[in-house]
Amino acid sequence: SQTIHQWPATLVQPVGSPLSLECTVEGTSNPNLYWYRQAAGRGLQLLFYSVGIGQISSEVPQNLSASRPQDRQFILSSKKLLLSDSGFYLCAWRGNRGYEQYFGPGTRLTVT
Amino acid sequence: AQSVTQLDSQVPVFEEAPVELRCNYSSSVSVYLFWYVQYPNQGLQLLLKYLSGSTLVESINGFEAEFNKSQTSFHLRKPSVHISDTAEYFCAVIRSGGSYIPTFGRGTSLIVHP
Repeated sequence: SQTIHQWPATLVQPVGSPLSLECTVEGTSNPNLYWYRQAAGRGLQLLFYSVGIGQISSEVPQNLSASRPQDRQFILSSKKLLLSDSGFYLCAWRGNRGYEQYFGPGTRLTVT
Repeated sequence: AQSVTQLDSQVPVFEEAPVELRCNYSSSVSVYLFWYVQYPNQGLQLLLKYLSGSTLVESINGFEAEFNKSQTSFHLRKPSVHISDTAEYFCAVIRSGGSYIPTFGRGTSLIVHP
């Protein structure tokens, strides 16, 4: 069966520090991968998605970036965090034959 | 482009009472519809989906949703809720033939009181 992992689960970082969040998927190949951010009391904001290795599409301009160095690995990064980057970050995958997305457990990021 | 409206941001209800969470969408083409549930500090889980066929779809834990094309709605219902149903519920729509990136509603917080 397929599983999706995210780490770390929680993170507290000072403003201006770098960020690296990792997401990996097991049990499937060539998944479509997504990064979302969920701010307190708000819905989901799509940040990036990827249909293959090295293929990244950005949905919103910001100081975040994403990379997909391997088929089932998706990384969210920042060189300098802002206070507004605080939130709950969710990684998700979708198979090539299905329409629904499957979400990881999330990373709670607090920028202080 | 499609859009999703969840009319209620919060729905309080007593245990064993029925509940309906409303979802309306707009799209100029055919769509696929989904309900996801999110428990506190967890990721979203697929609750049920409508792709085609019967307009009434059911989940394994007693929820059901009905696709109404004329009213562009996909409301979620449960005849008798439990305390454990307390969670955030998200409606989502995907435009058929597109990039299959879902548009999510802003979510409805279901709060079940004892």
